[in-house]
Amino acid sequence: GESVGLHLPTLSVQEGDNSIINCAYSNSASDYFIWYKQESGKGPQFIIDIRSNMDKRQGQRVTVLLNKTVKHLSLQIAATQPGDSAVYFCAENMVSNFGNEKLTFGTGTRLTIIP
Amino acid sequence: NAGVTQTPKFQVLKTGQSMTLQCAQDMNHNSMYWYRQDPGMGLRLIYYSASEGTTDKGEVPDGYNVSRLKKQNFLLGLESAAPSQTSVYFCASSSLPGQLLAEAFFGQGTRLTVV
Repeated sequence: GESVGLHLPTLSVQEGDNSIINCAYSNSASDYFIWYKQESGKGPQFIIDIRSNMDKRQGQRVTVLLNKTVKHLSLQIAATQPGDSAVYFCAENMVSNFGNEKLTFGTGTRLTIIP
Repeated sequence: NAGVTQTPKFQVLKTGQSMTLQCAQDMNHNSMYWYRQDPGMGLRLIYYSASEGTTDKGEVPDGYNVSRLKKQNFLLGLESAAPSQTSVYFCASSSLPGQLLAEAFFGQGTRLTVV
């Protein structure tokens, strides 16, 4: 699964360029995935989600790609802006041994937009 | 548009003191979560609750207890605070994953310092 307790990987992108943030998930039975954005001093905020029966989903300036074969998720942000600077987390929906469902977060990636 | 409300926003405790972090949601969500986030790191799940009256351990439950007596409230207790519990705590809620608008909504966080 995702490493926990490690410092965040970072990605720096020039303003106006596209950025790609990657995430590996651990459970092949996970059926729902979400990307969150967390700005400094704030709680995570929903960006986009995708279900396991889809390979791609697009939102406004964002696209999420899901590769179930290699258990990989990516978030593409087009034409990045200074306001995109934040930490981005992926989360997977996992079913526990007792049948309860829970969201589990990856480590996160810090995206910095260079003016 | 209250969403998820956490109280308090800031707290300083002495080692060995106890306290309860409160979380309330007004979206009639079934699932609620408590996460901790240490500086420069990702979110780690402490406990979660799939429905009123049920709770389950997450990745880092030691030193914490929870209660979900009412659907709208999820309480996180520290019986004997330790400096290692200095962190920012986030509460979240979501409808059952797989349904519309199933993304989790987060509170603004509680910054806890244990001295």
